[in-house]
Amino acid sequence: EVHLVESGGGWVQPGRSLRLSCAASGFTFDGYAMHWVRQAPGEGLEWVAGTSWNGGLIRYAASVKGRFTISRENAKNSLYLQMNSLRVEDMALYYCVKDKGAGSYPAFEAFDVWGQGTMVTVSS
Amino acid sequence: DIVMTQSPDSLAVSLGERATISCKSSQSLLHTSNNKSYLAWYQQKPRQPPKLLIYWASTRESGVPDRFGGSGSGTDFTLTISSLQAEDVAVYYCQQYYNPPFTFGPGTKVDIK
Repeated sequence: EVHLVESGGGWVQPGRSLRLSCAASGFTFDGYAMHWVRQAPGEGLEWVAGTSWNGGLIRYAASVKGRFTISRENAKNSLYLQMNSLRVEDMALYYCVKDKGAGSYPAFEAFDVWGQGTMVTVSS
Repeated sequence: DIVMTQSPDSLAVSLGERATISCKSSQSLLHTSNNKSYLAWYQQKPRQPPKLLIYWASTRESGVPDRFGGSGSGTDFTLTISSLQAEDVAVYYCQQYYNPPFTFGPGTKVDIK
C-alpha cells in the first residue's frame, strides 16, 4: 500500500527555519514527481512546490520562492521542504503529495496520493 | 497565474438527488500536444487529506464510485454526483495542472438537504 508520512512540523517564531520530511513507501519513489501542498486552518488548498522525479525540474509558488527549498533523496525514498524566513502567513498543515505521472512528459500531472500532513505553527 | 473559480460556494442536495459543481479557469487547460484538459477534482472530508476523484477532466480515479463524473474542456468544467450519498458530504476542489503554480479553486461545500 502506498504511504506518505510527513514529519518535522511544530511551533516556530517568525523569521526562523524549519525542515519538513516525507517518508514514502509502497511505490517506486524515483519514478514520480512529488509536491508539497499546504492548507491554513479553515482555508483551501495551496500548492507550495513540486519536483520532477529526478529533481531536474523544480517549481515554487510565488509566495514561497526564495525562502523555501524542495528537495528529494531517491535512495532514501524521501522528500524534503526546507523553510527559511518563516512568516505568520506560512502557518498551515503541510501535505506531502505524490504526482500521478510516471515519466518525463508531462513532468507533472494530477495528485493521487496525499499524506496526513504535518502542522507548522508560526507565532511569536 | 491561472485563476480557478468554482460555483456555487456551497449546496445542499437531498439523498439520491444530483449535485453539480462548476469550475472555470482563466485560461484554457487544453493541451494541443495530447488533446487533454489538465484539470482534476478532489474530495476533502473533515479532518482528512484530499482524495483524487477525477483527472484529465473526465477520467475517474481507480476505486472512485461511478456516481462521480467529470466533464468539460478548455475553460469550463463540471463535477456531477449523480445520486448523492451520505458519505459524499465534503468539500470539493478543482485544480489545474497545466502550468505551475498548480492552482486550486476555492472549494464547494456539499451537504445533505
